[in-house]
Amino acid sequence: NAGVTQTPKFQVLKTGQSMTLQCAQDMNHNSMYWYRQDPGMGLRLIYYSASEGTTDKGEVPNGYNVSRLNKREFSLRLESAAPSQTSVYFCASRETASGTQYFGPGTRLTVL
Amino acid sequence: QKEVEQNSGPLSVPEGAIASLNCTYSDRGSQSFFWYRQYSGKSPELIMFIYSNGDKEDGRFTAQLNKASQYVSLLIRDSQPSDSATYLCAVMKAGGGNKLTFGTGTQLKVEL
Repeated sequence: NAGVTQTPKFQVLKTGQSMTLQCAQDMNHNSMYWYRQDPGMGLRLIYYSASEGTTDKGEVPNGYNVSRLNKREFSLRLESAAPSQTSVYFCASRETASGTQYFGPGTRLTVL
Repeated sequence: QKEVEQNSGPLSVPEGAIASLNCTYSDRGSQSFFWYRQYSGKSPELIMFIYSNGDKEDGRFTAQLNKASQYVSLLIRDSQPSDSATYLCAVMKAGGGNKLTFGTGTQLKVEL
């Protein structure tokens, strides 16, 4: 099992450009999450999907959109990137029994 | 007041000593508590979780939970240089997508 995979690993954008971060999990988990991690701020939840077909805002949703494409895949889209969105982005999926979230390897995004 | 608070450190301990990491939380409705380890440039990985008051041991790691005082701690016995990392405390309330709220992490340095 690959667990949680994310693409791309690194990305540099110019202000105003758009991009989609991809996430997939092969653990048959219902719930998936997108976080950003900034120095001194910890992990902050952007959006989550409790089950296929549903999405909800987290703590810092502004400037982002998500799509739960199917049970495996949950994508994060930046429509018009801003320097404030420079961060490391992690996707996670949750094991129902224990509540444990398993994280992907992350995407390092720089917006110039 | 932050929902989950951790001392940012760094906490320095000599090799072979016990490292004690602490975390306090503000929401008494919190039900599940997680400790993650994060190496620099890597994604968080689960060390252990705890639901009930008291101690839970897993190898060199012991999690301690005191819901009355609203704190959870992680003890690492026989600390090794490979334990040097940032340790994240996360708290989950039931319902509402079972979201995790993370502390900003404590940096641990195990010195030879």
